Amino acid sequence: EDKVVQSPLSLVVHEGDTVTLNCSYEVTNFRSLLWYKQEKKAPTFLFMLTSSGIEKKSGRLSSILDKKELFSILNITATQTGDSAIYLCAVEEGNTDKLIFGTGTRLQVFP
Amino acid sequence: DTEVTQTPKHLVMGMTNKKSLKCEQHMGHRAMYWYKQKAKKPPELMFVYSYEKLSINESVPSRFSPECPNSSLLNLHLHALQPEDSALYLCASSQVHSSLTDTQYFGPGTRLTVL
Repeated sequence: EDKVVQSPLSLVVHEGDTVTLNCSYEVTNFRSLLWYKQEKKAPTFLFMLTSSGIEKKSGRLSSILDKKELFSILNITATQTGDSAIYLCAVEEGNTDKLIFGTGTRLQVFP
Repeated sequence: DTEVTQTPKHLVMGMTNKKSLKCEQHMGHRAMYWYKQKAKKPPELMFVYSYEKLSINESVPSRFSPECPNSSLLNLHLHALQPEDSALYLCASSQVHSSLTDTQYFGPGTRLTVL
């Protein structure tokens, strides 16, 4: 059965810390991996990864995919309280064209 | 502009009511999606429309009835819902379904409470 597993489930840090969020997957026909940030309402798109080893970067956030070991990491440097959210990892499965979501990592950043 | 809009933001309805959720995007996307999200859970796919045609129905009960009147609009008609249907209903859209460049953009959601 296809699955996406995120770790840790929950993370509490202080402002300025660097965090690494993990996403591993077992998906029959991998097409892409996406990271979303979800605050009070809808998930907002962060990154889409399709190729191994190519880092995607947006400000203090970066992400990379390892298709051999079947995982991705999302790094956030110099965290701020506004980074507090649930970070969702999703894999697009090519046979069904569906997004398979992980359970998310809840990040809390305290001043 | 990567905006997907949804109305209403909140909806409270009884089990005998009929209501509709609306979703709109003007990005020229040809694929639109309905997701259901319960508290502290990831979104669960309900329906996918591709070029205004229903392409995926995840065995959703018939009390949920989707409709895609045109390429910019997606509705979800609700009738005879149960309290366990209370959830956040998210709409998303993407350029084309089944594409290597496919990125789904989510709307803000409708928080539905069924009494």
